[in-house]
Amino acid sequence: GDSVTQMEGPVTLSEEACLTINCTYTATGYPSLFWYVQYPGEGLQLLLKATKADDKGSNKGFEATYRKETTSFHLEKGSVQVSDSAVYFCALSQYNQGGKLIFGQGTELSVKP
Amino acid sequence: SQTIHQWPATLVQPVGSPLSLECTVEGTSNPNLYWYRQAAGRGLQLLFYSVGIGQISSEVPQNLSASRPQDRQFILSSKKLLLSDSGFYLCAWSVPPLYEQYFGPGTRLTVT
Repeated sequence: GDSVTQMEGPVTLSEEACLTINCTYTATGYPSLFWYVQYPGEGLQLLLKATKADDKGSNKGFEATYRKETTSFHLEKGSVQVSDSAVYFCALSQYNQGGKLIFGQGTELSVKP
Repeated sequence: SQTIHQWPATLVQPVGSPLSLECTVEGTSNPNLYWYRQAAGRGLQLLFYSVGIGQISSEVPQNLSASRPQDRQFILSSKKLLLSDSGFYLCAWSVPPLYEQYFGPGTRLTVT
């Protein structure tokens, strides 16, 4: 079945450092890909998305490119802030499966001042 | 704009007691609705989803049930809670064909 694999956390960075969180997927067909962010004690927020190969999703300085050849959707940010500290989830959905999301296990990011 | 509400925000219940968690969505019609549970350790598990009133699909057989009595209302229930039902319960909605899901604030359930 379809699956999503994320890099293990926690990831600890200093403010203004570069961020990359790796995400790879296994799926048949052409899934849509998403990054969600969860701040402590809150629900998940959609951070960015890409619906076809080579699409780049971007939001709040974060970017991710849908790479079908490597089945990847890595999350990047050039300069992180303390306020970016959260858990990040990569996910995919298939059109023919009722929009169900398949999540990776989440990667905790901690940014120190 | 669309909003999603969940209540209660927190709940402490004894083992064997019943449960009812409610989720409502405003500002959209005929959404797909989802219930997830997030146990300690962050992983998200899809419990139920619904594509319309009275239509419920169960993803994981367990001590819980779901109902959709109205278009924008989704209820998660249990007749008798177990310790293993503790967790953070999240409701979400989406509208085909755009399948990004939007999550509610969650309910933290502790079964004692």
